[in-house]
Amino acid sequence: QSVLTQPSSVSEAPRQRVTISCSGSTSNIGKNAVYWYQQFPGKAPTLLIYYDDILPPGVSDRFSGSKSGTSASLAISGLQSEDEGDYYCAAWDDSLNVVVFGGGTKLTVL
Amino acid sequence: QVQLQESGPGLVKPSETLSLTCNVSGGSISTYYWTWLRQSPGKGLEYLGYVYYTGTTNYNPSLKSRVTMSVDTSKNQFSLKLSSLTAADTAVYYCARDQSSYGSGTFDIWGQGTKVSVSS
Repeated sequence: QSVLTQPSSVSEAPRQRVTISCSGSTSNIGKNAVYWYQQFPGKAPTLLIYYDDILPPGVSDRFSGSKSGTSASLAISGLQSEDEGDYYCAAWDDSLNVVVFGGGTKLTVL
Repeated sequence: QVQLQESGPGLVKPSETLSLTCNVSGGSISTYYWTWLRQSPGKGLEYLGYVYYTGTTNYNPSLKSRVTMSVDTSKNQFSLKLSSLTAADTAVYYCARDQSSYGSGTFDIWGQGTKVSVSS
């Protein structure tokens, strides 16, 4: 069981908007920055969002992050087939003294 | 641009020690936190810990007694040793750079990953 909770899968049609939730606790999301990583099959993850809502250089502004209390969300607008992949949320956990991850969400673009 | 490349054996026997090295090219290792993570087959990501360029380390408590990380600034590389291996340690192992101020999870550059199988 992962410390952070994400839906195992989401799906939506092209050009639509989808959100992926990430639920944690006061020892992780409630106190620390949230990160989102994107991973394609057979590839290493890449940083998609850091410090809750900041996009690294080169990441499309179709991606956005938000946080409220002990939950965070990743939104992807204008869905494209190339967005299909796995998405992981992460945060530092003050109680465990480690970075904890969600179990990952598989995005399918219908 | 900075690139990371893992190297090490692809097959290790149970009870033995895994040794992996991550070579940093295109930039100096003498800044940032340098991290190891792994991903078991069909599973999610697991944080193993970091080594700061000064040699300071932080390990995942679930592995603490079995893991050692070190940095060699003269070679611009850092290393992972994981002892007493079992089949549960079979995974793709990634090295990554953490550009956050406190080693708290901004993994902005990743190696391609190296697959490690634990089997006799």
